[in-house]
Amino acid sequence: EIVLTQSPGTLSLSPGERATLSCRASQSVTSSSLAWYQQKPGQVPRLLIYGASSRATGIPDRFSGSGSGTDFTLTISRLEPEDFAVYYCQQYGSSPYTFGQGTKLEIK
Amino acid sequence: EVQLVESGGGLVKPGGSLRLSCAASEFTFSSYTMNWVRQAPGKGLEWVSSISLSSTYIYYADSVKGRFTISRDNAQNSLYLQMNSLRAEDTALYYCAREFCTNDLCYSHAFDVWGQGTMVTVSS
Repeated sequence: EIVLTQSPGTLSLSPGERATLSCRASQSVTSSSLAWYQQKPGQVPRLLIYGASSRATGIPDRFSGSGSGTDFTLTISRLEPEDFAVYYCQQYGSSPYTFGQGTKLEIK
Repeated sequence: EVQLVESGGGLVKPGGSLRLSCAASEFTFSSYTMNWVRQAPGKGLEWVSSISLSSTYIYYADSVKGRFTISRDNAQNSLYLQMNSLRAEDTALYYCAREFCTNDLCYSHAFDVWGQGTMVTVSS
């Protein structure tokens, strides 16, 4: 099983700042099969990034993903008030299709 | 609007059973791999099970293997999860989730459409 470890657990930033979220895998993720999701309180997860770096339809270009192998990053270039949420990475290349434990992005 | 609506959750005693259902609408259900994903209260996401278009390929997380059974009825646009031998640690909000497809490719175990979930509570 591929274990995904996200850091930091909580990130406190202000609107307009840049956010960098990390996701590290215990072994190489097949074909960069890595996704990022955003979940706000009381809402279902929303797919942001797939294939490590491709934005899903309708996702603003302030969201970008990068990385390969075992190290992946989600960057939000300039935080908007609606971006404060929990973010999960997920590998979908090999079963079981595991998620990271999440990073909570909170307003400073 | 593309929609998934789960039902069938509730309170059940340890060792009991439940059957979850997911009704799909406004998309060609039979063309998509479907999944169940759960989220324990205040916790993260856990993929539970998936089933391919014609039920040929079925996968389970180790935590539910041998206890849960996924199935689908393409004629009824419905997905199911039969849960037996339930444990306290199965307590969670269970989401039905559709595989993500671009114009060119489908990614069976990435998810772009989610239901609102149905809550399963296992407690004596």
